[in-house]
Amino acid sequence: EAAVTQSPRNKVAVTGGKVTLSCNQTNNHNNMYWYRQDTGHGLRLIHYSYGAGSTEKGDIPDGYKASRPSQENFSLILELATPSQTSVYFCASGDAGQGNERLFFGHGTKLSVL
Amino acid sequence: GEQVEQLPSSLIVQEGASVLINCSYTDSASVYFPWYKQEPGKRLQFIIDIRSNMERKQTQRLTLLFDKKTKHLSLHITATQPGDSAIYFCSASMSYNQGKLIFGQGTKLSIKP
Repeated sequence: EAAVTQSPRNKVAVTGGKVTLSCNQTNNHNNMYWYRQDTGHGLRLIHYSYGAGSTEKGDIPDGYKASRPSQENFSLILELATPSQTSVYFCASGDAGQGNERLFFGHGTKLSVL
Repeated sequence: GEQVEQLPSSLIVQEGASVLINCSYTDSASVYFPWYKQEPGKRLQFIIDIRSNMERKQTQRLTLLFDKKTKHLSLHITATQPGDSAIYFCSASMSYNQGKLIFGQGTKLSIKP
């Protein structure tokens, strides 16, 4: 079973503070993704990566940075957190082995920025 | 850019009934449409997908229909069970082998025992 682990599961941050959300996958998937989920919006893509050392901007990258230091780890960094970044963040890894890429998600990180 | 809309936003049915969830998209360049399910307290999980060169796909109690002309999909779930209670997400991608998805807002399905 593919495994994607996010930490922390819950985080309260102050406005202007730095927040790092971590994601680890043991699937040996090349592709990893960060999405955020807000009520009424479904999930929206923030950043993604094709492999170690690679990061790409998704649909809503402003205010976020990403880091992929290894195949297994993909971090999302909020340098100066704002209340508008209060959301649930999901990490996923992707397997295109069957021809269609299916995503395996973590449990999510609930972030509140006060 | 691509937009994905789902209807209804919520649905309550009796156990054993069938349900239909509708999804529409705007960009004809989208070629791949996976669906995910989010049960309460659990991870999102893949449930079914379809490519734009197909019209229908079925797996167990799920049937996914695709109409390229109208840019419309519908997910049919038969013989619903309490474990089907979840939020169902339709998504669209311009590539088969990348997880760069545009998601709909989700449909919350509640099954009454």
